[in-house]
Amino acid sequence: GQQVMQIPQYQHVQEGEDFTTYCNSSTTLSNIQWYKQRPGGHPVFLIQLVKSGEVKKQKRLTFQFGEAKKNSSLHITATQTTDVGTYFCAGPGNTNAGKSTFGDGTTLTVKP
Amino acid sequence: DGGITQSPKYLFRKEGQNVTLSCEQNLNHDAMYWYRQDPGQGLRLIYYSQIVNDFQKGDIAEGYSVSREKKESFPLTVTSAQKNPTAFYLCASSRRNTEAFFGQGTRLTVV
Repeated sequence: GQQVMQIPQYQHVQEGEDFTTYCNSSTTLSNIQWYKQRPGGHPVFLIQLVKSGEVKKQKRLTFQFGEAKKNSSLHITATQTTDVGTYFCAGPGNTNAGKSTFGDGTTLTVKP
Repeated sequence: DGGITQSPKYLFRKEGQNVTLSCEQNLNHDAMYWYRQDPGQGLRLIYYSQIVNDFQKGDIAEGYSVSREKKESFPLTVTSAQKNPTAFYLCASSRRNTEAFFGQGTRLTVV
């Protein structure tokens, strides 16, 4: 079945440093979604990318979808302590099933 | 106030007991899902349902059961056959191929 692989598993940064997490799929994705889960919380939807080469920004967060629609990245500029949490990417599952396939997530810790 | 509600927030189970986790949504979503999350791990799909009275096994369905008698409700039963049930359980709902909305989760502990 379709899988999305996410790296790195953990990332520790000093406040103010940048952070990037990568998501890779062996198959072409019709879209990709990104979620954030704060410690002790539940995943919250951030964004969905659909178009090849698409780039979207949300304040300090930049999301990219690869030209081949097999990879994606989330980049945070000048991290803050509020950015801590686990970031998941999710690809669509089988169209008939409609379920998403989540990556294992990248857990970000930020040292103040 | 629309959303997805899970209850209880914390649940303790004795070995050999079945327990049922509640998940209700008023978003009018057709699809509902149950995920299990272990400490420091990603989300693993237990069961999902695309329509009332129909559901499919996910990647780790053994020891779990579900029902979908109403569009709004998708309860998960953790049976005694689940040998390692201690985990964080997340319910989600969505329209087909759109973003998922998650509940607050239920932390299940075996005592």
